[in-house]
Amino acid sequence: GQSLEQPSEVTAVEGAIVQINCTYQTSGFYGLSWYQQHDGGAPTFLSYNALDGLEETGRFSSFLSRSDSYGYLLLQELQMKDSASYFCAVRDPNQGGKLIFGQGTELSVKP
Amino acid sequence: GAGVSQSPSNKVTEKGKDVELRCDPISGHTALYWYRQSLGQGLEFLIYFQGNSAPDKSGLPSDRFSAERTGGSVSTLTIQRTQQEDSAVYLCASSTTDTAYNSPLHFGNGTRLTVT
Repeated sequence: GQSLEQPSEVTAVEGAIVQINCTYQTSGFYGLSWYQQHDGGAPTFLSYNALDGLEETGRFSSFLSRSDSYGYLLLQELQMKDSASYFCAVRDPNQGGKLIFGQGTELSVKP
Repeated sequence: GAGVSQSPSNKVTEKGKDVELRCDPISGHTALYWYRQSLGQGLEFLIYFQGNSAPDKSGLPSDRFSAERTGGSVSTLTIQRTQQEDSAVYLCASSTTDTAYNSPLHFGNGTRLTVT
């Protein structure tokens, strides 16, 4: 089966940099995605990595190491509005359409 | 439409009653997914559709749960004889296709179901 592990909570201060890690186990791999969910809101897509390395999109970057089955989401210049839950996700290799999510990391940004 | 629309946004029902949850995906999106999220938890996969067919129903918790999609568009998730453990937020998402692995899922705001 597939499984993903990420920390349940992370706390950081405004203006700082925070890294949210994700390790995965899957029999096949088709890329790692990240989603953001504010309290009571809909999850929204942040990034997708299929190849090793760092992808940057503004203040957010996502990294993937396929050999280590590991990725992370890097948030820079943290703002209060970044307080949310962040989920990593992989596609099910047996049923290509299904996206399997980790349990989520709740990020709290303090002033 | 502008985004994925779900209705109702909130539903309170008595144990044993049936409920229907509706999802209107983004126009042109062929893939549609249902997930369930309990308070403070991750997203639990229920079922997904490609067009009107459901290649994967493996996440449906019991035979009390069923879903259909008609016209390649609107989907309905039905829960029969609801139980208290069914209380959760039911999220619907759509994407352009299920075969492009980088195709992001676009989620609706969910239906918060409370079974009393």
